[in-house]
Amino acid sequence: DTEVTQTPKHLVMGMTNKKSLKCEQHMGHRAMYWYKQKAKKPPELMFVYSYEKLSINESVPSRFSPECPNSSLLNLHLHALQPEDSALYLCASSQEGWAGGDSPLHFGNGTRLTVT
Amino acid sequence: AQRVTQPEKLLSVFKGAPVELKCNYSYSGSPELFWYVQYSRQRLQLLLRHISRESIKGFTADLNKGETSFHLKKPFAQEEDSAMYYCALIQGAQKLVFGQGTRLTINP
Repeated sequence: DTEVTQTPKHLVMGMTNKKSLKCEQHMGHRAMYWYKQKAKKPPELMFVYSYEKLSINESVPSRFSPECPNSSLLNLHLHALQPEDSALYLCASSQEGWAGGDSPLHFGNGTRLTVT
Repeated sequence: AQRVTQPEKLLSVFKGAPVELKCNYSYSGSPELFWYVQYSRQRLQLLLRHISRESIKGFTADLNKGETSFHLKKPFAQEEDSAMYYCALIQGAQKLVFGQGTRLTINP
């Protein structure tokens, strides 16, 4: 398996709902990432987990809560989101605990989130 | 602040013509730069990275530290090159910072 898999592909949620996004990779990669991409904008980093520990939080509001249960799984728990949080949420992984050199990012297809 | 600038949001060329997608960066130190591509209905994927000095799908990119540029070039465009192209640099060890992207359209 050489892909990063994200579920669900689409998600519509109300502002009072609690939902989770899931990301999975079975390439033995040691770092996993959440990016947010608004329409017609580039992806922006939200969180990084390296060796299952949170290493970067880009000052993301607490209504987004990441979790890395093991080296293959990454979740993003969502609670009390706002309509402006509607975006494409991308997961990525890298072979080592860093994103450059011989350890480039591999991206999933994303979850398109709509908050109503 | 470290930044990547892609001055062209849209670029349209004819099949067989040369292509150049511009990328400029600001970075204190030795930058590590990439080009990522997103074809229609496909995931964002690595196209090439400056450290490997490779040619992928006929594309090359040379890091010019004097001009702080990392332009992507291909001598003869093909229709399948139509896609969204992002230039990106690594900030720290883990943060990939993207430019605004250039949508390339190859006309038949």
